[in-house]
Amino acid sequence: SQQGEEDPQALSIQEGENATMNCSYKTSINNLQWYRQNSGRGLVHLILIRSNEREKHSGRLRVTLDTSKKSSSLLITASRAADTASYFCATDTGRRALTFGSGTRLQVQP
Amino acid sequence: GAGVSQSPSNKVTEKGKDVELRCDPISGHTALYWYRQRLGQGLEFLIYFQGNSAPDKSGLPSDRFSAERTGESVSTLTIQRTQQEDSAVYLCASSLGGGSRAGELFFGEGSRLTVL
Repeated sequence: SQQGEEDPQALSIQEGENATMNCSYKTSINNLQWYRQNSGRGLVHLILIRSNEREKHSGRLRVTLDTSKKSSSLLITASRAADTASYFCATDTGRRALTFGSGTRLQVQP
Repeated sequence: GAGVSQSPSNKVTEKGKDVELRCDPISGHTALYWYRQRLGQGLEFLIYFQGNSAPDKSGLPSDRFSAERTGESVSTLTIQRTQQEDSAVYLCASSLGGGSRAGELFFGEGSRLTVL
């Protein structure tokens, strides 16, 4: 089964609204990463948060990590149509390759 | 090159044929990964190379799948006797380190395989 699971599977919002995606995982991690995938393209790294960090910002992105609940959230503020993509969380346990969740498909309506 | 390069970008083959997919990682990246992504799905780990260590093949779905990597450069994923269920996008990624030092993965654009 997947180490990381995103929620919701799909999200549709209007431009300017905030989008929140959640990720839950099962085992202890070194870090958790979020990636973005435009349709038909490869994945692009967005942000990495280490296990000893609780919150991290990058531009319009805010990531939180709660290791006690084994969960993370990605917040995109003031969304734009160009943010339309699939977003994946990936967990690094230090023992093997990153394990990816099934993703959240975000649709931002102009 | 500047990024991870994969070829071919698209491959259509007939059931039962063998295919080879190639990945050229970013120069200097010691770790290389292969993932499979079926339509509308997440990424399924296949195999992981880290430097001169034995590869982690735990994700390969059957013995029809194999991969090689020459040193810290090009990798080839081979699928023998392809089946329709092998149809997917095969994504390659590389990173500066592996294990606890993996950090950010850099992905190629993928090779889309269609088995008729």
